[in-house]
Amino acid sequence: AQKITQTQPGMFVQEKEAVTLDCTYDTSDQSYGLFWYKQPSSGEMIFLIYQGSYDEQNATEGRYSLNFQKARKSANLVISASQLGDSAMYFCAMRENTGANSKLTFGKGITLSVRP
Amino acid sequence: KAGVTQTPRYLIKTRGQQVTLSCSPISGHRSVSWYQQTPGQGLQFLFEYFSETQRNKGNFPGRFSGRQFSNSRSEMNVSTLELGDSALYLCASSMSGDYNEQFFGPGTRLTVL
Repeated sequence: AQKITQTQPGMFVQEKEAVTLDCTYDTSDQSYGLFWYKQPSSGEMIFLIYQGSYDEQNATEGRYSLNFQKARKSANLVISASQLGDSAMYFCAMRENTGANSKLTFGKGITLSVRP
Repeated sequence: KAGVTQTPRYLIKTRGQQVTLSCSPISGHRSVSWYQQTPGQGLQFLFEYFSETQRNKGNFPGRFSGRQFSNSRSEMNVSTLELGDSALYLCASSMSGDYNEQFFGPGTRLTVL
């Protein structure tokens, strides 16, 4: 089974509107971390936001917020007031605390296009 | 503060050759992780080095190897290149390996002909 699932093939949003990018995950660990990264066409991965499995409140970083629903194993990214510069690939990732083998597992990514 | 740098940015090799990619982390960062990104497989973890020791390893064949030097710079080597090794290779650095502090470089795009 896939650890991280991002099923939306591509998303379009009008400038200044909000958009939600979906992510579901699968783990049997009690302690884990969820991440969102942005990858513009230049290729560099940019860290956006982090949510720990024990965090009671949803993480927020400026225009980014993470809608964390633990029981449903979902960690959707919400981008408010979209900007043209938000057009990029977005990746959801998970770190499971598997001791010496702790590593990040990425989803397939979602392409977001912001329309002027 | 300078970011993570990777050299070269682009590389073209032929099957059977070997290649070495370099990654210079942010000053003060001791952990360097490597990832392979392809359209088919997405982003996959290769390995992580911390203080010159390999600490974590992904599921890649032994043709993929790496090392880290005392100044935390890291190199990744791929021997006997295959067409399927064509990918964007990303490295990321952090102070201690905490992934919420991980910063990525621009990547090296390797094309194997």
